[in-house]
Amino acid sequence: SQTIHQWPATLVQPVGSPLSLECTVEGTSNPNLYWYRQAAGRGLQLLFYSVGIGQISSEVPQNLSASRPQDRQFILSSKKLLLSDSGFYLCAWKPQGTNEKLFFGSGTQLSVL
Amino acid sequence: QKEVEQDPGPLSVPEGAIVSLNCTYSNSAFQYFMWYRQYSRKGPELLMYTYSSGNKEDGRFTAQVDKSSKYISLFIRDSQPSDSATYLCAMGRHNFNKFYFGSGTKLNVKP
Repeated sequence: SQTIHQWPATLVQPVGSPLSLECTVEGTSNPNLYWYRQAAGRGLQLLFYSVGIGQISSEVPQNLSASRPQDRQFILSSKKLLLSDSGFYLCAWKPQGTNEKLFFGSGTQLSVL
Repeated sequence: QKEVEQDPGPLSVPEGAIVSLNCTYSNSAFQYFMWYRQYSRKGPELLMYTYSSGNKEDGRFTAQVDKSSKYISLFIRDSQPSDSATYLCAMGRHNFNKFYFGSGTKLNVKP
């Protein structure tokens, strides 16, 4: 069966520090991978998605970047965090060629102080 | 106008009640419809998915899609306190890699 791992669960970082969040998927090949951000009490904002290694689509121009160095690994990064980067970050995946199922990781609560 | 509209609630019901959660959408190209349950500080869990009009049942949950009205519903029978969570609807299009989410409805089932 397929599983998605996302870590860390909680992160507190000072303003101006770098960020690296990692997500890996097991039990599938060539998945589509996604990074979302969820502000408190609000909906999901798509940040990045990837259909293959090295292929990144950015949805929201901002202080973040994403990379996909391996087929089942997706990384969200920032060189210098802003207060406004605080939020709940979710990694997700879907099988290639399907559009009715999107599976989420457990999320990372990021607080920038 | 948002592509997907969902009442944020909160919706408070007594244990055992039938719950109806709804979303409306504006894009007739949406063909895939999903419902997620999200507990506080956790990732959304896929509850139901469908790609056709009509009803789909899974245990206490029934997903209903009315494409002519651009309206989808999730019914929860015999609601339990453990059903207390935020429920998100989501929609997708054929050969399109992005999904569109409602803002979520917070449900509280009182013992």
